[in-house]
Amino acid sequence: DADVTQTPRNRITKTGKRIMLECSQTKGHDRMYWYRQDPGLGLRLIYYSFDVKDINKGEISDGYSVSRQAQAKFSLSLESAIPNQTALYFCATDPGQGSGELFFGEGSRLTVL
Amino acid sequence: AQSVTQLGSHVSVSEGALVLLRCNYSSSVPPYLFWYVQYPNQGLQLLLKYTTGATLVKGINGFEAEFKKSETSFHLTKPSAHMSDAAEYFCAVSAPGLYGNKLVFGAGTILRVKS
Repeated sequence: DADVTQTPRNRITKTGKRIMLECSQTKGHDRMYWYRQDPGLGLRLIYYSFDVKDINKGEISDGYSVSRQAQAKFSLSLESAIPNQTALYFCATDPGQGSGELFFGEGSRLTVL
Repeated sequence: AQSVTQLGSHVSVSEGALVLLRCNYSSSVPPYLFWYVQYPNQGLQLLLKYTTGATLVKGINGFEAEFKKSETSFHLTKPSAHMSDAAEYFCAVSAPGLYGNKLVFGAGTILRVKS
């Protein structure tokens, strides 16, 4: 089984719908991240969390919210999806201690019509 | 603030030829530098990283990169390309010692290997 699991892997939805992407990890890492990937733009940070009580905005947090339900779970929500949120979303974990190395899930492809 | 520029969104090489993917960075503190690879329909995985010490770092699958502070570069090389190297490659920088120490990614370079 994957150490970082994202659900759903693919989702097609309509403008205005609420969407939740879920991430769970078995690596025991405190730090978790949500990125979105767009062609030609690389990965951009949406939100990150260093522990259950710590939530921080990244560079593109508008239109998104997150919930850290437990050390192992970090969910990303789109309250009212719009077409320009069509992208590939990645969850990642980080062991901390300054390593900088991230461990990624396989991604959730979201299409907003 | 940290930033990364990857020169060339697409690179095409013949099988057996040298692979060179270029990365330049900007950082307000001595950086940590990374190369990640993304194969089709998969997440990113770490190829190699530079933190401190030896400036030439070796990674998986025969790749290596050299940290050149004077040129603010961290180019990725492989002496002989293999078909299985076809993927998208991302350079990333982080700033150790600063709060958060988050990774900042470049835009990516898609490597195509021709037979």
